[in-house]
Amino acid sequence: GENVEQHPSTLSVQEGDSAVIKCTYSDSASNYFPWYKQELGKGPQLIIDIRSNVGEKKDQRIAVTLNKTAKHFSLHITETQPEDSAVYFCAASITDTGNQFYFGTGTSLTVIP
Amino acid sequence: KAGVTQTPRYLIKTRGQQVTLSCSPISGHRSVSWYQQTPGQGLQFLFEYFSETQRNKGNFPGRFSGRQFSNSRSEMNVSTLELGDSALYLCASSLDRLSGYTFGSGTRLTVV
Repeated sequence: GENVEQHPSTLSVQEGDSAVIKCTYSDSASNYFPWYKQELGKGPQLIIDIRSNVGEKKDQRIAVTLNKTAKHFSLHITETQPEDSAVYFCAASITDTGNQFYFGTGTSLTVIP
Repeated sequence: KAGVTQTPRYLIKTRGQQVTLSCSPISGHRSVSWYQQTPGQGLQFLFEYFSETQRNKGNFPGRFSGRQFSNSRSEMNVSTLELGDSALYLCASSLDRLSGYTFGSGTRLTVV
């Protein structure tokens, strides 16, 4: 099955700096790549996603890039704020076979004021 | 609109017992998936239901089962509980297989 690796496991940045989280996947059939943010005591929340026919997608301070050849995708957060502190998960799925997501192990992001 | 609702939020059970968790998806969402989240294993897929049929199943023992009702509400059941079943169980719903999930807040199960 699909294997998703995520790095780094922890990340600390100064407020206003950028944060980058990277993921790799193993199954070239994966075609949908969402990113989730999980705050303490809550379920993961979808923040951005990208499909395999797109190389980059941006939503305000958040962007995701996808390199299908290298099988990796990254989350970029610019102008970080303390409220960005949370655990971020990447995921990959093959939408042709249903809604089964393979998640990375998570990155705990701390934004220092 | 209302989000994904999971009940109960917290549960404490004894080894050997069984437990049933409930999930009400967002109105109109027909796909409901269940995940187990633990510090050691992260988020692991249990199963997905679509229109009352199990469409996908993860690598969990047969003690873990689920079902979906005609109104899309779903339940998962764990029989003969083990200490290792202690986890946050998350339910997620989506409109279809081309959409991302919306997760509920989860049910925290503790097995003692």
